[in-house]
Amino acid sequence: DQQVKQNSPSLSVQEGRISILNCDYTNSMFDYFLWYKKYPAEGPTFLISISSIKDKNEDGRFTVFLNKSAKHLSLHIVPSQPGDSAVYFCAASAYDSGNTPLVFGKGTRLSVIA
Amino acid sequence: DAGVIQSPRHEVTEMGQEVTLRCKPISGHDYLFWYRQTMMRGLELLIYFNNNVPIDDSGMPEDRFSAKMPNASFSTLKIQPSEPRDSAVYFCASSLGQGGNSNQPQHFGDGTRLSIL
Repeated sequence: DQQVKQNSPSLSVQEGRISILNCDYTNSMFDYFLWYKKYPAEGPTFLISISSIKDKNEDGRFTVFLNKSAKHLSLHIVPSQPGDSAVYFCAASAYDSGNTPLVFGKGTRLSVIA
Repeated sequence: DAGVIQSPRHEVTEMGQEVTLRCKPISGHDYLFWYRQTMMRGLELLIYFNNNVPIDDSGMPEDRFSAKMPNASFSTLKIQPSEPRDSAVYFCASSLGQGGNSNQPQHFGDGTRLSIL
């Protein structure tokens, strides 16, 4: 069973608009959530994270929102730029409660159209 | 600073052959992870090491897969014998700590694209 789910395999957004990537999880022990970005022929790189004690974390154009009751998080990119076109992976860990390794979703391919 | 280095970048071989993938983690990192990425299963953890000791290999799909970390600067993932369904991109990652938070994120290599004919 997948503990971290990214139900949208792909997303297309126009340049300048908002991109919203969604992620759901099933394990209530998860307390730390990370987003990774992956360009073709490269490895994933860390983008932004959020702890379960927060419901929002912002870094420039990137904001992650966490809804613990719904076991749902989302990554907002505003404004979207062509260079944001990549695959985005959601990942979760039970860092404080068990220090488990990351569990990744299958990824969402974002295409930002100029 | 050098990141995680994987070799080879691409490997094409025939079914039944032995395949060895190599990884050099970032110096000072105490955790090393091997992942496999496929369209069907996404990014799945195969095995990870802490201070060169295997901690959890429950993600290794079959006995045909084995991994070693003889020292802090080198790890191998071996498939013997290889099968077409092993075709995937294999990533190595390292971190200081388990990489489960923003202070200690996992750093990934650029992967090895493996094709078994």
